[in-house]
Amino acid sequence: DAGVIQSPRHEVTEMGQEVTLRCKPISGHNSLFWYRQTMMRGLELLIYFNNNVPIDDSGMPEDRFSAKMPNASFSTLKIQPSEPRDSAVYFCASSLAHGGRYGYTFGSGTRLTVV
Amino acid sequence: TQLLEQSPQFLSIQEGENLTVYCNSSSVFSSLQWYRQEPGEGPVLLVTVVTGGEVKKLKRLTFQFGDARKDSSLHITAAQPGDTGLYLCAAVTSMNYGGSQGNLIFGKGTKLSVKP
Repeated sequence: DAGVIQSPRHEVTEMGQEVTLRCKPISGHNSLFWYRQTMMRGLELLIYFNNNVPIDDSGMPEDRFSAKMPNASFSTLKIQPSEPRDSAVYFCASSLAHGGRYGYTFGSGTRLTVV
Repeated sequence: TQLLEQSPQFLSIQEGENLTVYCNSSSVFSSLQWYRQEPGEGPVLLVTVVTGGEVKKLKRLTFQFGDARKDSSLHITAAQPGDTGLYLCAAVTSMNYGGSQGNLIFGKGTKLSVKP
């Protein structure tokens, strides 16, 4: 298995533009997580899906953020409109189940810079 | 307030030295995990500890879960430059901590640099 695949690896965009981050989880993993990492706040959980269904999005910072998982092999995180304070590394992770019983496998992340 | 406090934040040592990093909380956890993150990559799971007092070894790395399951330590013997990275502890919280209830929350990590 190629692991969790995220694209793009780097994204530089202007304030106000729409940004879409993509994730392909490991086949057979039922849970998918979107995290954001910054120096100040570390890794923060934004939203997670279980069997393609969003379970808890209370970590999403604002209505400008939205996430979808149309099928078991694809998820997107969208920011519209983007702002400079959204600059961070965004990670997607997948796991056999939520609840932390199993390890999470992370992708390599998308480094987002909003100028 | 961080639910998981890691110390030290930064550690720079010479190759061959030993070191210990800590993960502390006021909460009791059913299990705790350690991850290592290298620059430009996502965290990679090293170990899961479940039982209070449990000790697990992974080559030169020794992980311990506190008896009360509120804290954990990671000891590295004879550190090598390849050990350089960000070491993160993570645990499942029953608290409503953002969207993390029932899922893994992470400490901010210890950034380790091992110089040759």
